[in-house]
Amino acid sequence: QSALTQPPSASGSPGQSVTISCTGTSSDVGGYNYVSWYQQHPGKAPKLMIYEVSKRPSGVPDRFSGSKSGNTASLTVSGLQAEDEADYYCSSYAGSNMGVFGTGTKVTVL
Amino acid sequence: QVQLQESGPGLVKPSETLSLTCTVSGYSISSNYYWGWIRQPPGKGLEWIGSIYHSGSTYYNPSLKSRVTISVDTSKNQFSLKMSSVTAADTAVYYCARDIMSTRDYWGQGTLVTVSS
Repeated sequence: QSALTQPPSASGSPGQSVTISCTGTSSDVGGYNYVSWYQQHPGKAPKLMIYEVSKRPSGVPDRFSGSKSGNTASLTVSGLQAEDEADYYCSSYAGSNMGVFGTGTKVTVL
Repeated sequence: QVQLQESGPGLVKPSETLSLTCTVSGYSISSNYYWGWIRQPPGKGLEWIGSIYHSGSTYYNPSLKSRVTISVDTSKNQFSLKMSSVTAADTAVYYCARDIMSTRDYWGQGTLVTVSS
């Protein structure tokens, strides 16, 4: 069970968009529509931002969107704001009631 | 509102057993969700440790399975983590979370466990 691959960092200016990829295999990302994304600010617990590939929990701005193609899922943050600067982690169901996280991406708002 | 709170020793000696409890409020642990443990070493990423269903069925990360036991106490609305033979590599913030199909929608605040003599 290997961690899903994410770029270490991503950045954008306020108002711009940033897209983070999350690459797995056919045994996790590609095999199930149970990809979720989490935002984590320093010293805080992760917060669910996207679940089941593209669904947003109540209270999450619609600037956050998710998608998936094959073994790669993506999170897009549109209209970047200063408070979006954080670490982002993807997660996928991997069958047999097991899960795997991504390696994490630090998003910087320039 | 669903709330989770981790509790347990913040310092564990090498080779000993780490024990943590997660107390759930605002939701019955006997309802239809799994309950899981996740950890994060300082400055590093998240790692799923394992999950338990209220029936007691457990699922573990294969890389930790030999050292981990997760149990549930529905009468106290709690679930617990035990990790044996700990080393410095097990130093991390440990989180508990509500879990369904690897989607964790509610998390505890996390508790730092340091393994040191």
